[in-house]
Amino acid sequence: DAKTTQPPSMDCAEGRAANLPCNHSTISGNEYVYWYRQIHSQGPQYIIHGLKNNETNEMASLIITEDRKSSTLILPHATLRDTAVYYCIAASGGYQKVTFGIGTKLQVIP
Amino acid sequence: GAVVSQHPSWVICKSGTSVKIECRSLDFQATTMFWYRQFPKQSLMLMATSNEGSKATYEQGVEKDKFLINHASLTLSTLTVTSAHPEDSSFYICSAREETGYGYTFGSGTRLTVV
Repeated sequence: DAKTTQPPSMDCAEGRAANLPCNHSTISGNEYVYWYRQIHSQGPQYIIHGLKNNETNEMASLIITEDRKSSTLILPHATLRDTAVYYCIAASGGYQKVTFGIGTKLQVIP
Repeated sequence: GAVVSQHPSWVICKSGTSVKIECRSLDFQATTMFWYRQFPKQSLMLMATSNEGSKATYEQGVEKDKFLINHASLTLSTLTVTSAHPEDSSFYICSAREETGYGYTFGSGTRLTVV
């Protein structure tokens, strides 16, 4: 799996958009970008994933650069419940193991 | 969506005893499951890949005789921590991938405390 790098922490004001960057400059052509988040003492929760195109679902939007070397997860209107550690992962389909980096600890501030 | 159930959610055991953690895929079959361990304020660390009907594949540095993994069916993998010691106290998480689903689904985790 490609290595990803993320800032260790970020703050965001409640109600504002939270933009979480991820660098995956060594990603290969068949690897997807996945985003998960982990709230304290819970298992990681799937947020969104994409290959080349930008994606949007009810939770977030994923913007992937044209060269696919980086991406940004956007939480359009952050709430206090979005406070969590967010993990960006690059992985191919199939059953390959997934390894986690340190993630970004997002603190949403009232 | 795909659901992975992990049980128990927490357990306290005495040093020297063994503890079994179950991971079930509730609405899909999982030929492969993964076991992670997470220490406080750290990221998830992959311990092993559990393969249905065959031996698990352990990551470097993980003792296979201490962390026994059994994946006897397409919906159940178990992790047994044998002869547990206080340093084994951690948060253990399993995950599985549904073939037609969105990436990997994680269990809710098991908090193990060895006293």
